[in-house]
Amino acid sequence: DTEVTQTPKHLVMGMTNKKSLKCEQHMGHRAMYWYKQKAKKPPELMFVYSYEKLSINESVPSRFSPECPNSSLLNLHLHALQPEDSALYLCASSRGHRYIFERTEAFFGQGTRLTVV
Amino acid sequence: AQTVTQSQPEMSVQEAETVTLSCTYDTSESDYYLFWYKQPPSRQMILVIRQEAYKQQNATENRFSVNFQKAAKSFSLKISDSQLGDAAMYFCAYRSITQGGSEKLVFGKGMKLTVNP
Repeated sequence: DTEVTQTPKHLVMGMTNKKSLKCEQHMGHRAMYWYKQKAKKPPELMFVYSYEKLSINESVPSRFSPECPNSSLLNLHLHALQPEDSALYLCASSRGHRYIFERTEAFFGQGTRLTVV
Repeated sequence: AQTVTQSQPEMSVQEAETVTLSCTYDTSESDYYLFWYKQPPSRQMILVIRQEAYKQQNATENRFSVNFQKAAKSFSLKISDSQLGDAAMYFCAYRSITQGGSEKLVFGKGMKLTVNP
């Protein structure tokens, strides 16, 4: 199983709504990531969880709140978003930095297409 | 900080022909990983090929091969016998390890490849 599963695939939400994006992997990976991708642009890193601890927050606004309940799950809680937050949100996982000389590529989910109205 | 540069925003190739995508990067590290990912319209980021900087041999995966020039900090991707399914955005990426021990991918801006029948 080399899959990273993201739900939902599409989400439309109002600026006053609260919603959550979910990501799951069963590859035993210990690093999980959230990326934001605008159309025709590369993914931009938002958060990194390493061994279930938040290790990188790329100065993301507090209306985005990540959560890592266990080593297989990663959530992104959304609240009071703005229309400019509309984008593709990608989740990824990798084995973790301790595996320097082993397969370390990141596996990506299919993303959640988020539209804020 | 590491940077990744893809200077060609778009390329096209005839089916069955060969195309080379260029990528340069900047780093002060001596050991690192480089990747090429493709992102078709289905939007999932798919790993095409990986290269470990400590390996002198260029990586190959079926029709995909790289020309890794460590001194020149160049990492180009060659696609042989191009197929219609190769049409996608291609991103060059560098695996960076932060001071805190977390890993993240630094992406180039991407290049749109069109395959003409």
